Amino acid sequence: IVMTQSPPTLSVSPGERVTLSCRASQSVSSDLAWYQQKPGQAPRLLIYDVSTRAPGIPARFSGSGSGTDFTLTISSLQSEDFAVYYCQQYNYRRPVTFGGGTKVDIK
Amino acid sequence: QVQLVQSAGEVRRPGASVKVACKTSGYVFNSFGMAWVRQVPGQGLEWLGWISAYKENTNYAQKFQDRITMTTDTSTTTVFMELRRLRYDDTAVYYCARTDSYIRESSWSDLWGQGTLVTVSS
Repeated sequence: IVMTQSPPTLSVSPGERVTLSCRASQSVSSDLAWYQQKPGQAPRLLIYDVSTRAPGIPARFSGSGSGTDFTLTISSLQSEDFAVYYCQQYNYRRPVTFGGGTKVDIK
Repeated sequence: QVQLVQSAGEVRRPGASVKVACKTSGYVFNSFGMAWVRQVPGQGLEWLGWISAYKENTNYAQKFQDRITMTTDTSTTTVFMELRRLRYDDTAVYYCARTDSYIRESSWSDLWGQGTLVTVSS
């Protein structure tokens, strides 16, 4: 299953609302997660099962979608949110695949 | 403390093998699975495969099927990933990443190691 993220790069000002997209080449049901990665660090789980926030993740992060189209929304971007965001599908009995990532940088 | 600590970086010649260790602590080892994910510097994430810490069954990405082996050592709660017949394009940071189930082969990962840089160079 090929995961396509858009846009590849997003330039945003702090405080703005951010919407990142992820599209699957075929339905992955609700088996979709989002990760945040900062330079030199391992990825960090933000969201799993489309919309469930991982422990400790701020409420400004939310996920939505189903089937093939998914969205990660950051309601008000904070300085610590500038990073690369990856979606991941983990549909049962299929190999796990990641999207190519969206880099959120400072406008 | 719940954590995954990986072995130090390695340099290997093309054609050689590398074995990366992932020492777990702070949780019940055989209640989870472990995935391995790699990242070529400056690029995205690539899933290599998964092992159950309970039954030690594995599921490898087809691309690596013939040259990768994942194992566990319950006595030291450590997971290993061995990659053989290394090529230049295997140069990457390799991560171990805990999955939420010891049964389900494909799942999300809530805990990641710090990464191990494997450099393939002549």
